[in-house]
Amino acid sequence: DAGVTQSPTHLIKTRGQQVTLRCSPKSGHDTVSWYQQALGQGPQFIFQYYEEEERQRGNFPDRFSGHQFPNYSSELNVNALLLGDSALYLCASSPGIPTGELFFGEGSRLTVL
Amino acid sequence: GENVEQHPSTLSVQEGDSAVIKCTYSDSASNYFPWYKQELGKRPQLIIDIRSNVGEKKDQRIAVTLNKTAKHFSLHITETQPEDSAVYFCAASMGSSYKLIFGSGTRLLVRP
Repeated sequence: DAGVTQSPTHLIKTRGQQVTLRCSPKSGHDTVSWYQQALGQGPQFIFQYYEEEERQRGNFPDRFSGHQFPNYSSELNVNALLLGDSALYLCASSPGIPTGELFFGEGSRLTVL
Repeated sequence: GENVEQHPSTLSVQEGDSAVIKCTYSDSASNYFPWYKQELGKRPQLIIDIRSNVGEKKDQRIAVTLNKTAKHFSLHITETQPEDSAVYFCAASMGSSYKLIFGSGTRLLVRP
């Protein structure tokens, strides 16, 4: 079992650019959540996808959008990047049971210059 | 709004001593409280969790206690070892919400 896989692991962008991050959930999981972890902080919930729809959203602007594919993999898109978007973006999968255990990927570290 | 406060932000203990990390949550409807360990450059990993119908849960050297009345929950690590050094995050799930609200983390250093 490969667990939760994310790509890319590291990337550097400049302000105003757009970025797409990808996530494959753990085998058997159908729900994907995305979190933003700034340096020295706890993860903050961005949104969760289930059955290809956004099920819940955190307090993030519309520049942050996502998608879930029929195979349960997911993408996180961020438009018009700001310096403050620099963070570790964590994908977590779960079997769809609310408040169940989350399995995190290693994250994608985004640096915005 | 929804909030989880975590203390202390840093904790240094001698190997073999106990470590305690405390969290408080704001929403009384919270019913799931996991603890995650994150080593440098690694993913957060669940180490123990507790649900609101239980007051205490133990797994070897790790235990979690929950006081629903005070809206507090704590992580206890006994007989600490250098490999326990990491950042620990508490979290709470608010009622029927699908999201976890994380605390700001505690950096634990176990000195050999």
